[in-house]
Amino acid sequence: EAQVTQNPRYLITVTGKKLTVTCSQNMNHEYMSWYRQDPGLGLRQIYYSMNVEVTDKGDVPEGYKVSRKEKRNFPLILESPSPNQTSLYFCASRTERSNEKLFFGSGTQLSVL
Amino acid sequence: AQSVTQLGSHVSVSEGALVLLRCNYSSSVPPYLFWYVQYPNQGLQLLLKYTSAATLVKGINGFEAEFKKSETSFHLTKPSAHMSDAAEYFCAVSEFGNEKLTFGTGTRLTIIP
Repeated sequence: EAQVTQNPRYLITVTGKKLTVTCSQNMNHEYMSWYRQDPGLGLRQIYYSMNVEVTDKGDVPEGYKVSRKEKRNFPLILESPSPNQTSLYFCASRTERSNEKLFFGSGTQLSVL
Repeated sequence: AQSVTQLGSHVSVSEGALVLLRCNYSSSVPPYLFWYVQYPNQGLQLLLKYTSAATLVKGINGFEAEFKKSETSFHLTKPSAHMSDAAEYFCAVSEFGNEKLTFGTGTRLTIIP
């Protein structure tokens, strides 16, 4: 089954404690992206990657890091989380064509205390 | 720069009534336009997309949308609402050669029995 898998589904942490949210896709997609969803703000792009070792900033990259060492994986790293990073996070992937649909993971609800 | 405006953060309709969710876009080149739906506790999934072919686009679950260049609009409609249509709906825009997909702030659709 074609899918994007995110882990964990829920995460509660404290300010400053480094964390990683994993994302994996099994569709051999070139493009992967991270979004955060906040009430009233819709989805905002954090980072995206066009292929292995190619990443670029989205609209709200501050406080986040990503890496793309393998085509299937695109982890999101918060080196020193802060309460304003409490949000619902989605990973998504698609082929290299920008008119193709995005496949979304089920989301990670992060709370930073 | 591309952008999307969704009018109405909340829309309520009676079961069996017409559903109309509004989306206006801004783009400096011919756009690609998408509607995604998010059911509770799930990721987003594609309803339909416009990629410069037919201006009236049919999607899943009886939804359709019409691209109107003169009005820079891509409103989503369904002739008869069903209880299962209750969800949040997002309009999104991208452009050829631009890897960024910009989402609107979303419209929460409530169906009244």
